[in-house]
Amino acid sequence: QSALTQPPSVSGSPGQSVTISCTGTSSDVGSYNRVSWYQQPPGTAPKLMIYDVSNRPSGVPDRFSGSKSGNTASLTISGLQAEDEADYYCSSYTSSSTFVFGTGTKVTVL
Amino acid sequence: EVQLVESGGGLVQPGGSLRLSCAASGFTFSDHYVDWVRQAPGKGLEWVGRSRNKANIYTTEYAASVKGRFTISRDDSKNSLYLQMNSLKTEDTAVYYCARGTPSGYSLDHWGQGTLVTVSS
Repeated sequence: QSALTQPPSVSGSPGQSVTISCTGTSSDVGSYNRVSWYQQPPGTAPKLMIYDVSNRPSGVPDRFSGSKSGNTASLTISGLQAEDEADYYCSSYTSSSTFVFGTGTKVTVL
Repeated sequence: EVQLVESGGGLVQPGGSLRLSCAASGFTFSDHYVDWVRQAPGKGLEWVGRSRNKANIYTTEYAASVKGRFTISRDDSKNSLYLQMNSLKTEDTAVYYCARGTPSGYSLDHWGQGTLVTVSS
C-alpha cells in the first residue's frame, strides 16, 4: 500500500487560506468517506483535526475544513494563524481493511 | 481524562525482538479499537496495525511491512495493548505511538507520547 500523496510544503500569511491536497486511489480515498487529517507540531504526538472527510472533533476550530472529490481529499485552513504551523497528515481506510497515511505537508505561516 | 502511555522502547540488534506496551486510562478500554502507528526519525507517519474491540472479538490487522513479524495483543483486565516485534530490521527504527480509535473506528482521537525503538548493531 503506497502512501497517499501530499505536497511537501505550503505557506501563507496570517489571515490567508491554505489548502492541502491528499491524493490516493480507488482502493482507498476514492472508495471510502473515511479520510482523516492530523496535525503534528514539532516534537509532539499527532492530533485529530478532521474525520470522515469533513467532520471536526469537539474543540477543533471551524477554520479547519475538509472535502473530497474522487481520489483526492483536501484540508483547508482559513484565517491562518501562527499556531497552525505544523506538519499535517491525511489518512484513509483501504480496501484491505488497513489504513494508509499521506506523505505529510509542512505548513509555514509567513 | 483519556491517557495512553507507551513503554518498552530501546536499542535492539537487527534480528532481535522487543515488546512494547501501551497503558490506557480514562475510558472503557474494551469498547475501543487501538492502533499502533510509527514514525521514523524525520519521516512521516506509518500505520502499523490495530486491535479491534471486544465486540469485534479482538481481531487484528497489520500493515504489509510488518505482517508475520509483529503481533498485537491486548489485556483488557489491565487496560493494556502490546506490540511484540520479532525479526527486527534497521528500517523498523522509529517512534511507536499507540492511539485510540474513535467510536466508528476509522480515525484516531487520542495518542500517546510515543516510545523510541532503535534497531542497530
